[in-house]
Amino acid sequence: DAKTTQPPSMDCAEGRAANLPCNHSTISGNEYVYWYRQIHSQGPQYIIHGLKNNETNEMASLIITEDRKSSTLILPHATLRDTAVYYCIVRVAGAGNMLTFGGGTRLMVKP
Amino acid sequence: SQTIHQWPATLVQPVGSPLSLECTVEGTSNPNLYWYRQAAGRGLQLLFYSVGIGQISSEVPQNLSASRPQDRQFILSSKKLLLSDSGFYLCAWRTGVNEKLFFGSGTQLSVL
Repeated sequence: DAKTTQPPSMDCAEGRAANLPCNHSTISGNEYVYWYRQIHSQGPQYIIHGLKNNETNEMASLIITEDRKSSTLILPHATLRDTAVYYCIVRVAGAGNMLTFGGGTRLMVKP
Repeated sequence: SQTIHQWPATLVQPVGSPLSLECTVEGTSNPNLYWYRQAAGRGLQLLFYSVGIGQISSEVPQNLSASRPQDRQFILSSKKLLLSDSGFYLCAWRTGVNEKLFFGSGTQLSVL
C-alpha cells in the first residue's frame, strides 16, 4: 500500500470549510484514496473514497490532484460535531484483507 | 440493513485474568471480520482478520487470540491478560471488493 502523510492537527472555525490534505506521492494507478474519521471513543466512520475523479457525497467532497499524488477532503460547513481524527488511506480495492490506519489529522472545530 | 454488535462497552480486568470479547454482524453473509486495538492517543493497530469460519490471520505477535466459530461471529480472547493489553478494541466488517469498513462501538478494556 502507498504511504500517506497527513498533518497531525488542524483547527477550523465553525461554519467555515475544513480542508484536510493528504500526500500519497507513491500511489499506483489502481489504488483508491479512502477517508475515514473517528470521533472520540467511537469506531471509525467511512466518509468517502475515489480513484481519480473528484467525488462528493452528503458528508464531504474529495479532490484528487491530476497526478494523484495528493488529495484534499473538504467539509464544506464544519460543525462542532465534525471534531474528530481524520484518516487518509490508500489501497488497491479488494487486494488482500487488511486496512491499515496511520496517525491521521486531529481536526478541532472551534466556535 | 447491516448492523454490528460489540460488547461489553467497558471492561475492567485484573492482570492474569482471562478475556473474551464478542462481535456479531447481522444482515450480511460471509463478511470479512477484523479486530483492531487502539492505545490511548494512538492510531488503530490491526490485530486479527478473518475471511471465513475458522480462518484467522494474525498481524502481530501478542498475548491475544481470535476465533470465528460462526459466519457472523468473531471472538477475541486471552488466557492471561497483561497490563499492556489495555486499550480500545474495535471490531469491524466488510464485504466484497469494497474497502468500506463498518466498525462496532468498541470495548474500552482496562487491565489493572
